[in-house]
Amino acid sequence: AQRVTQPEKLLSVFKGAPVELKCNYSYSGSPELFWYVQYSRQRLQLLLRHISRESIKGFTADLNKGETSFHLKKPFAQEEDSAMYYCALKETSGSRLTFGEGTQLTVNP
Amino acid sequence: GAGVSQSPSNKVTEKGKDVELRCDPISGHTALYWYRQSLGQGLEFLIYFQGNSAPDKSGLPSDRFSAERTGGSVSTLTIQRTQQEDSAVYLCASSYPGLAGYQFFGPGTRLTVL
Repeated sequence: AQRVTQPEKLLSVFKGAPVELKCNYSYSGSPELFWYVQYSRQRLQLLLRHISRESIKGFTADLNKGETSFHLKKPFAQEEDSAMYYCALKETSGSRLTFGEGTQLTVNP
Repeated sequence: GAGVSQSPSNKVTEKGKDVELRCDPISGHTALYWYRQSLGQGLEFLIYFQGNSAPDKSGLPSDRFSAERTGGSVSTLTIQRTQQEDSAVYLCASSYPGLAGYQFFGPGTRLTVL
């Protein structure tokens, strides 16, 4: 069965510092990977998808199939990046998402 | 248009009672999902509806949980004989077919079982 692991429940950095939120997965096929974000008192929303290879709000994530990782990175963190971040996996032929446990990011001034 | 809506926003019930949670997906979204969000547990998939196909119920934790979707739109998640461990935020999401990874989430229903 597929599994998504986010090893850090809490991550704290200072404004302007680089940030990396780790995500590892286990799945025997070719997965689609996503990052979702939930800001305080807001709904969970899609941040980015690996297939689009996009940069959203300065965040990027590269799928590393060799290391089965999909880490989320931003070179210069901002206070407004403080939120809960979830990594999610979708199976090749399925529709359900398997989420990690989430990482609460705090960016301090 | 409006996003995914859920009601009630909060529900407090006594152990052993039945509860019904409602979800209104975005118009045109044929796929609908229910998740449970518990402290320290992430999001747990419960059930998935796609059009008129049989739902994927593989995530329902016990036979006390059931869900239906009427007319391909509104969905109701029912929990019978609630237990304290059912306390969580129940999230509903919807998406277009073929874009299952791009899910739009509702605000959730916070269920507290006393």
